Amino acid sequence: QQQVKQSPQSLIVQKGGISIINCAYENTAFDYFPWYQQFPGKGPALLIAIRPDVSEKKEGRFTISFNKSAKQFSLHIMDSQPGDSATYFCAARGGSGNTGKLIFGQGTTLQVKP
Amino acid sequence: DSGVTQTPKHLITATGQRVTLRCSPRSGDLSVYWYQQSLDQGLQFLIQYYNGEERAKGNILERFSAQQFPDLHSELNLSSLELGDSALYFCASSWQGGSHEQYFGPGTRLTVT
Repeated sequence: QQQVKQSPQSLIVQKGGISIINCAYENTAFDYFPWYQQFPGKGPALLIAIRPDVSEKKEGRFTISFNKSAKQFSLHIMDSQPGDSATYFCAARGGSGNTGKLIFGQGTTLQVKP
Repeated sequence: DSGVTQTPKHLITATGQRVTLRCSPRSGDLSVYWYQQSLDQGLQFLIQYYNGEERAKGNILERFSAQQFPDLHSELNLSSLELGDSALYFCASSWQGGSHEQYFGPGTRLTVT
């Protein structure tokens, strides 16, 4: 119940295309869903996040779509660029009480071809 | 740059040894989280401190311990090291204990030989 399942494991997209990464969860107590971007040799960087009372959030070329009934959420990267090539992690805030611990998906390695 | 600092950047040590990883949170952040990243386990939450007190515990081995000091920096102590402890260790910080936005440091790469 504490898992977050992420797919696909890897993704290759042409420059200018749309990259879509999906995540699913079981625990309905999760109340915050961030996406992180990680480049090799760097720490994860917060990209965009959503709460379950919102169905969509857009920041620039990055959009989160959230389906509460299906317990799924996804990241869309519009007009994908070679600089977007990185590993992307979805996560969910888990645990009860005043803790912010994050449970991460397994990650998606995105390659954007020029 | 997230504002979270971690030292050292790399650490190579032998099995059975003990090491200490250090983290300084962003200015003003009261909460520190430790995560372990390995190829087979992914990113896993280890432990959280808020203003010096332990707030939550995850899959942290008994050989591992952590603390947060009055100046809010944190240390993760790993003892009786095994080959399987080789991983990236990340520290993250947030303003509050339950605050949702966590900012990660650059990590410490631990290699146990």
